[in-house]
Amino acid sequence: AQSVTQPDIHITVSEGASLELRCNYSYGATPYLFWYVQSPGQGLQLLLKYFSGDTLVQGIKGFEAEFKRSQSSFNLRKPSVHWSDAAEYFCAGPLSGTYKYIFGTGTRLKVLA
Amino acid sequence: DGGITQSPKYLFRKEGQNVTLSCEQNLNHDAMYWYRQDPGQGLRLIYYSQIVNDFQKGDIAEGYSVSREKKESFPLTVTSAQKNPTAFYLCASSGSGRIADTQYFGPGTRLTVL
Repeated sequence: AQSVTQPDIHITVSEGASLELRCNYSYGATPYLFWYVQSPGQGLQLLLKYFSGDTLVQGIKGFEAEFKRSQSSFNLRKPSVHWSDAAEYFCAGPLSGTYKYIFGTGTRLKVLA
Repeated sequence: DGGITQSPKYLFRKEGQNVTLSCEQNLNHDAMYWYRQDPGQGLRLIYYSQIVNDFQKGDIAEGYSVSREKKESFPLTVTSAQKNPTAFYLCASSGSGRIADTQYFGPGTRLTVL
């Protein structure tokens, strides 16, 4: 069955440090993959998306993600984290052949001053 | 500004009551979705609609109902049959309903059962 997995429930980093949030997917064909961010009590905001082509995708707020087929991963990265990046991050992708998304369970990021 | 609005932001329900959550979009999107979010469980799809006057059940439709009479509106009713409705509800829309269309989300409604 198709799945999107985020292995880390919580991650804590210091402000200014680099960040990598993991996302693993299980798909048959080339997947479409998305990263969203959610601040407390808010809706989800799209950070970036991968459809095809260049495997390194740039997004908003200085985030990027790299699609690695060999590792079935689509990890989100940021070279220097800001306190305002503290939020919950979701990886997602459409269920093959449908309009439904599969969401990971989210990774909550805490940023230490 | 184009976007998705949800109202109310907070909603309280007594046992046995039906309540309706509003979702409106002015993005001219064809497809609309309702998700339920519980801590540690990510988002689960309740209902989705690809065109007006048509909608399909998602993974957790029991105890919920929807209508899609207008392109811009997709209200969700939480009925008394939903035994554990306390959650955060998110509405989303996507352009044409094609596979892998980007979904855009509203700000959410937090429903609490008293």
